[in-house]
Amino acid sequence: GAVVSQHPSWVICKSGTSVKIECRSLDFQATTMFWYRQFPKQSLMLMATSNEGSKATYEQGVEKDKFLINHASLTLSTLTVTSAHPEDSSFYICSAKPGHQETQYFGPGTRLLVL
Amino acid sequence: SQQGEEDPQALSIQEGENATMNCSYKTSINNLQWYRQNSGRGLVHLILIRSNEREKHSGRLRVTLDTSKKSSSLLITASRAADTASYFCATDYYFGKGTSLLVTP
Repeated sequence: GAVVSQHPSWVICKSGTSVKIECRSLDFQATTMFWYRQFPKQSLMLMATSNEGSKATYEQGVEKDKFLINHASLTLSTLTVTSAHPEDSSFYICSAKPGHQETQYFGPGTRLLVL
Repeated sequence: SQQGEEDPQALSIQEGENATMNCSYKTSINNLQWYRQNSGRGLVHLILIRSNEREKHSGRLRVTLDTSKKSSSLLITASRAADTASYFCATDYYFGKGTSLLVTP
């Protein structure tokens, strides 16, 4: 149990376009979802925390207009990278947490390359 | 912001040896979690230790927590080549920098 999926697993796009990444909890309801980005050989940086039905809470330094997060249901959160630039190229990982648990379960990640 | 700091940053050992990784954090916590990440892939949750616990075991893993020193350690006993990965501690959803473990046959 406790499986989280992400789609797509990788995406290449042109500079200036927007990219949407989906994160789904497949077998549990996720009251809270988290979005991270990870640069090569570095750790995960928390970007934002989202609770179902409410606005996401962004970490300091993360542009909310650049990284749009929607947590419309208890099993789906989306991250949209708007007007992507090469510096947005990164590995984006989501995680989901059931309301009654402390553990978060991670998706397999989405590798974004902006040309 | 980043909470945990692991050391060492990189560790290379031979199969059968034990590997110890340490994590320090800055603020008070409810729990501390350890994760493993194989190269360029998602994270696997290894173990959660609560602030009122001092030690926890799971198979070949042993985690200790010292809240007075704001530190935790992860011990992997009898390591295997398959343990090669990056290991991260996390407190309240913030991750440390990680330790890259290489286990050679």
